[in-house]
Amino acid sequence: EAQVTQNPRYLITVTGKKLTVTCSQNMNHEYMSWYRQDPGLGLRQIYYSMNVEVTDKGDVPEGYKVSRKEKRNFPLILESPSPNQTSLYFCASSFLAGETQYFGPGTRLLVL
Amino acid sequence: GENVEQHPSTLSVQEGDSAVIKCTYSDSASNYFPWYKQELGKGPQLIIDIRSNVGEKKDQRIAVTLNKTAKHFSLHITETQPEDSAVYFCAASSNTGKLIFGQGTTLQVKP
Repeated sequence: EAQVTQNPRYLITVTGKKLTVTCSQNMNHEYMSWYRQDPGLGLRQIYYSMNVEVTDKGDVPEGYKVSRKEKRNFPLILESPSPNQTSLYFCASSFLAGETQYFGPGTRLLVL
Repeated sequence: GENVEQHPSTLSVQEGDSAVIKCTYSDSASNYFPWYKQELGKGPQLIIDIRSNVGEKKDQRIAVTLNKTAKHFSLHITETQPEDSAVYFCAASSNTGKLIFGQGTTLQVKP
């Protein structure tokens, strides 16, 4: 089944403790992206990747890192999480930029 | 920077009525305009999209219109059903890879 998977689905952590949210797609998509969703603000793009080893900042990249060493994986790294990064995070992928994006199920993060 | 404004933020209609959600974008380079539906506890799912070389697109009860001059695009849902109740997002994208979403519209269809 074609899908985007994220892990973990739920995470509670404390300020300053490094964490990684994994994202994997099995559709051989070149484009991958991370979003955060907050009430009243919709979805905001954090980082995106047009292809392996190519990443770019979205609208809200501060406090996040990403890497794209393989085509199928696009992990989101929070090196020193803060409470304002408490949010619902979605990973998405598409064959190319500007085409239909398929979203993962989301990761709900709480930073205490 | 680029932004997408979406209205209304909430919309309540009777079953069988039509629903219209409107979006305005700022980046004139935008050429791809998808609409996503998000049900509770799930990720957004594409329902329809339109490209800048097309003015209107229809898929059964759902249609999208685009006015490039005014930088407006709209989602039209006809003969609404209770299962249409969800949060709807518009978005705008150019070939750069950035995708800007609107703030979302919560649609409630009353039986």
